Amino acid sequence: AQSVTQLGSHVSVSEGALVLLRCNYSSSVPPYLFWYVQYPNQGLQLLLKYTTGATLVKGINGFEAEFKKSETSFHLTKPSAHMSDAAEYFCAVSAPGGADGLTFGKGTHLIIQP
Amino acid sequence: GAVVSQHPSRVICKSGTSVKIECRSLDFQATTMFWYRQFPKQSLMLMATSNEGSKATYEQGVEKDKFLINHASLTLSTLTVTSAHPEDSSFYICSAQVGTSTDTQYFGPGTRLTVL
Repeated sequence: AQSVTQLGSHVSVSEGALVLLRCNYSSSVPPYLFWYVQYPNQGLQLLLKYTTGATLVKGINGFEAEFKKSETSFHLTKPSAHMSDAAEYFCAVSAPGGADGLTFGKGTHLIIQP
Repeated sequence: GAVVSQHPSRVICKSGTSVKIECRSLDFQATTMFWYRQFPKQSLMLMATSNEGSKATYEQGVEKDKFLINHASLTLSTLTVTSAHPEDSSFYICSAQVGTSTDTQYFGPGTRLTVL
């Protein structure tokens, strides 16, 4: 069984500031971890994923995340926020291979203040 | 590449009627497709896993007789909500997986179902 906890349903940062969205997971097997972004009235778009290998993964739009097994975390960061980053962000976990579907966190709404 | 479409994008129906939602992979073959449900301001919940040519696998608590899933081809899966009731109103999202041993799902834009 797997679960995902995203701390903070809403996160507000100023434009140009660091973005940090927190994600902790629980998994009985080595997890595959994902971050997806959902813009209003659009489908989910994959930002980045961790499967195996390097624990620091880089994604699109300047985002990156680090898999920390000891902390069961996969926090998403971006050095400098843009107004266009305002969206809903979902962390998700799957078993290796992903054949069993994704378990999502509840999502974090990122607000960018001008 | 890896585009997934859903039709319709919005549907309003009367209580007791059935509604069919289509999910298509436009530029790739999807052996596996997934159906999720998203309640307002909540996360996506996996409803079922659909494999081409075989019966869908439903998650615990999902009524298979109410949510009929058909995956007749490598590019099309359908979800039929039978005898819909207002509590079935939700955002239904499908995703498609490229191949059988990959880890990335590509999501459709979703279908907003409102049952009056």
